[in-house]
Amino acid sequence: DIQMTQSPSSLSASVGDRVTLTCQASQDISNYLNWYQQKPGKAPKLLIYDASNLQTRVPSRFSGSGSGTDFSFTISSLQPEDIATYYCQQYDNLPITFGQGTRLEIK
Amino acid sequence: QGQLVQSGAEVKKPGASVKVSCKASGYIFTTYDITWVRQAPGRGLEWMGWISGYNGNTNYAQKFQGRVTMTTDTPTSTAYMELRSLRSDDTAVYYCARRMRVGATQFHAFDVWGQGTMVTVSS
Repeated sequence: DIQMTQSPSSLSASVGDRVTLTCQASQDISNYLNWYQQKPGKAPKLLIYDASNLQTRVPSRFSGSGSGTDFSFTISSLQPEDIATYYCQQYDNLPITFGQGTRLEIK
Repeated sequence: QGQLVQSGAEVKKPGASVKVSCKASGYIFTTYDITWVRQAPGRGLEWMGWISGYNGNTNYAQKFQGRVTMTTDTPTSTAYMELRSLRSDDTAVYYCARRMRVGATQFHAFDVWGQGTMVTVSS
C-alpha cells in the first residue's frame, strides 16, 4: 500500500496568514492526489483534485501543487472558517489511502 | 448536485453484522460509483471499497475482503454496505461518498458525501 505522510500533524496560525501543508507519498503517484477538509462532526469535503484543480464552489484562497512524491496545499489568507483537519488522498494505486491529517487551529 | 442520506446509528455485539444504507437523490444513480470510507474515533480516513452504480461491480480493499459486501438497489437509488464478524476495532463512523464525474471522465475523488453512520461494536 502507498503510505501518505502529512506534515505538520497540527498547525496554529493567525487569521490572514498564508498557510502551507505538505503531503509526501511513499512512491511516485504522478498527480493522482486529492485534498479534503473535515470539520468536527462533519463529513469530509473535497477541495482540490488531481493535485491542483480547485473543486467547484471552493474559495480561490485554497490551492494545491506538486507531482511525483511531494505535494503541498496552501491557504493564501487564513479565515476563521478554515479551522478543520485537512487530509490528502492518493489514487495512483489501490487501495486508496489517506494521509493521517493536519489539524489547523487559529492562534 | 446530489445528496446522500445514510441510515441511523447502530450498536452491535462482537461477531454480529451491520448493514448501512445510503440513499442518493438529485442525480442519476446509475452514472456514478459509490465508495465507502470509515473513520474510527479520533482517527483518520480508511477506504473500504466501491461499487458501480451502473452494473454493481465492486472493488474491495484487501483488508475487508471476505467480510464486506457492497450492493445497490437501482429502483430506490440506494447503496448498501454490510460488514460481518464485527470486532471492537470496527467501531467507527461509516461514510458513503460519490465518485466524482465530469462529463465522461470519472475521477478518483469523492465529491458528495453522506452524513455518516456511527457503528458501535460493544459487548
